[in-house]
Amino acid sequence: DAMVIQNPRYQVTQFGKPVTLSCSQTLNHNVMYWYQQKSSQAPKLLFHYYDKDFNNEADTPDNFQSRRPNTSFCFLDIRSPGLGDAAMYLCATSSRESGRYEQYFGPGTRLTVT
Amino acid sequence: AQSVSQHNHHVILSEAASLELGCNYSYGGTVNLFWYVQYPGQHLQLLLKYFSGDPLVKGIKGFEAEFIKSKFSFNLRKPSVQWSDTAEYFCAVAPGGFQKLVFGTGTRLLVSP
Repeated sequence: DAMVIQNPRYQVTQFGKPVTLSCSQTLNHNVMYWYQQKSSQAPKLLFHYYDKDFNNEADTPDNFQSRRPNTSFCFLDIRSPGLGDAAMYLCATSSRESGRYEQYFGPGTRLTVT
Repeated sequence: AQSVSQHNHHVILSEAASLELGCNYSYGGTVNLFWYVQYPGQHLQLLLKYFSGDPLVKGIKGFEAEFIKSKFSFNLRKPSVQWSDTAEYFCAVAPGGFQKLVFGTGTRLLVSP
């Protein structure tokens, strides 16, 4: 089945130690997104790629970076995780069909910062 | 500020009760509207969507939603809930029909058997 895959599902990192989260997709969608979701809150968009074009949200901290080496893969890098960065990180994809977008979500990576 | 509001943060129902979850948005112009569901321990799944046409849209698992443009609302309904509907429900809006989504804060539904 075509899907959005996130690895790892659970990640523990130390305060200040860089961490990378991975997302891959078999849907061949041209748009990929990263969201941060804290407990009992709505998913918050961090940034997205439209093909190779990177689009950062204005309030995304500089601590968060992303890479998209090809259509299938997208990475979220947190350069110096703080305790406040502990959250679920969601990857999603979409494609423009008939001028409309529908997002498909992966299972998420739960990040713990110790 | 432009936003998506879900009025009920927690809803508790008995099985077979009817459900209506409110969603209002503050964007003018064209919008695409979505309801997503997140079952315990699972990823976000699309319940239903509205792009254009009939304002009453039907989704999976017996859910439906009605787009009322004059009220900037997209309320979710189900005539008779089941225990398996226990989940968190998110309304989301794509302003301008573009590729970015703005989510509401979610409604946590608990259905007691």
